[in-house]
Amino acid sequence: EDKVVQSPLSLVVHEGDTVTLNCSYEVTNFRSLLWYKQEKKAPTFLFMLTSSGIEKKSGRLSSILDKKELFSILNITATQTGDSAVYLCAVEPVVSSNGGSEKLVFGKGTKLTVNP
Amino acid sequence: KAGVTQTPRYLIKTRGQQVTLSCSPISGHRSVSWYQQTPGQGLQFLFEYFSETQRNKGNFPGRFSGRQFSNSRSEMNVSTLELGDSALYLCASSLYQGNIQYFGAGTRLSVL
Repeated sequence: EDKVVQSPLSLVVHEGDTVTLNCSYEVTNFRSLLWYKQEKKAPTFLFMLTSSGIEKKSGRLSSILDKKELFSILNITATQTGDSAVYLCAVEPVVSSNGGSEKLVFGKGTKLTVNP
Repeated sequence: KAGVTQTPRYLIKTRGQQVTLSCSPISGHRSVSWYQQTPGQGLQFLFEYFSETQRNKGNFPGRFSGRQFSNSRSEMNVSTLELGDSALYLCASSLYQGNIQYFGAGTRLSVL
C-alpha cells in the first residue's frame, strides 16, 4: 500500500533557527508531491513538486524533491513564531486510466513549535 | 476570491444519528474531495467528486456517502454515527482533477 512517512513527528526550536523537515514515500508512480501548512484548521498550500532536483522557494521556505531516493525536504530558515504549525506532506498518484484522479496520500505531519 | 467554505464549523451528535456536512468550493473549481482527519490516523481520503460524479473513493464503510450538485457544491453524509467518527472533516477543491487542492477550515464532528 502507498505510504508517506514524515520525520521528525515533532520539533521544538528557537526563533532564528533553521529547520529541515523530511518526507519519504513508497508510492511507486506519482504525479506530484505537495507540502501544506496546517495551523489551526485549514491546511494551506505551500509547494507542489513534480521534477527531481528543482528547488522551489517562497520567502524563507524552500523545498526539493529527489525522485530517485524517494524523498522530499522542506527547509525553513530564520524561523519565526508564526511558523509554528503542523507541516503535511502528500503524494498524488498518477491519474488512473479511467480518468479518475487518485487520492492524495498524506503523511502524519511534523508538528513544529518555534519558541521566542 | 472566496475560499472553500464548509458548514457547519462544529457539530455534536449522538451515536446512531446521521449528519450532513456541506462544502462550497472556490468559484470555478469543479473538483471536490473530502478527507477525515484524526490524531491517530492523520488525513485520510474519503471520496472525490467531479462534474457531479464520484470519481474515486477511499477505504471507508458505506455509511459515508456524498454527492455533488450542478454548481459544484458538495455534501457528505454519515449515517448511523459511531464514536470513532469523531473527527475533523475537511473539504478541498481544485480547478480540475489533479490540480492543487485548496482546503476549507473543516467541520469538527463530535459523536457522544
